[in-house]
Amino acid sequence: DTGVSQDPRHKITKRGQNVTFRCDPISEHNRLYWYRQTLGQGPEFLTYFQNEAQLEKSRLLSDRFSAERPKGSFSTLEIQRTEQGDSAMYLCASSPSEQFFGPGTRLTVL
Amino acid sequence: LAKTTQPISMDSYEGQEVNITCSHNNIATNDYITWYQQFPSQGPRFIIQGYKTKVTNEVASLFIPADRKSSTLSLPRVSLSDTAVYYCLVGGPSGSARQLTFGSGTQLTVLP
Repeated sequence: DTGVSQDPRHKITKRGQNVTFRCDPISEHNRLYWYRQTLGQGPEFLTYFQNEAQLEKSRLLSDRFSAERPKGSFSTLEIQRTEQGDSAMYLCASSPSEQFFGPGTRLTVL
Repeated sequence: LAKTTQPISMDSYEGQEVNITCSHNNIATNDYITWYQQFPSQGPRFIIQGYKTKVTNEVASLFIPADRKSSTLSLPRVSLSDTAVYYCLVGGPSGSARQLTFGSGTQLTVLP
């Protein structure tokens, strides 16, 4: 257990539905990252926050994806109008230096 | 970002030393080399980071030759619980606010 928690751990949804994931980083960590991982591949960067400011977004983060980190604490990642290609593990990491990853949320879009 | 190449898979037996080599021919002068470990259904876990020569911690050693175009992660006396995917990454040091760029990793399977 790294101290980074994610909720839910698993989510099954139907195509077209909206989903929201939550990440609670280690409390004193000001940096928070979201990654996506598909089967057999390494994690791919999605977006990064320094405190409450979203400083970087990958081109992988389409208009259907939005992330927030109000008050620089927990973060949420929302996917609107889910597609089957969104099925993946969504990982959150926080850091002061090296990144500590949470257990991930596995999304299955039917 | 420098691209890394590592073997897709490796097998070993319990108690053996395992060496996983990673190629990074286009590593930049200010890039560090970092290795992560990932078990199924878990997020990656930092193992070790280095810039040059040799770095050792309680779980692994990292060997980096003078030209820094490759690196070798050494795991002493592996056990069944070391079965995992190992990722080699190059980029800024841990203290920098950088995104991590993972390749496909090396699946290490430790056999009894």
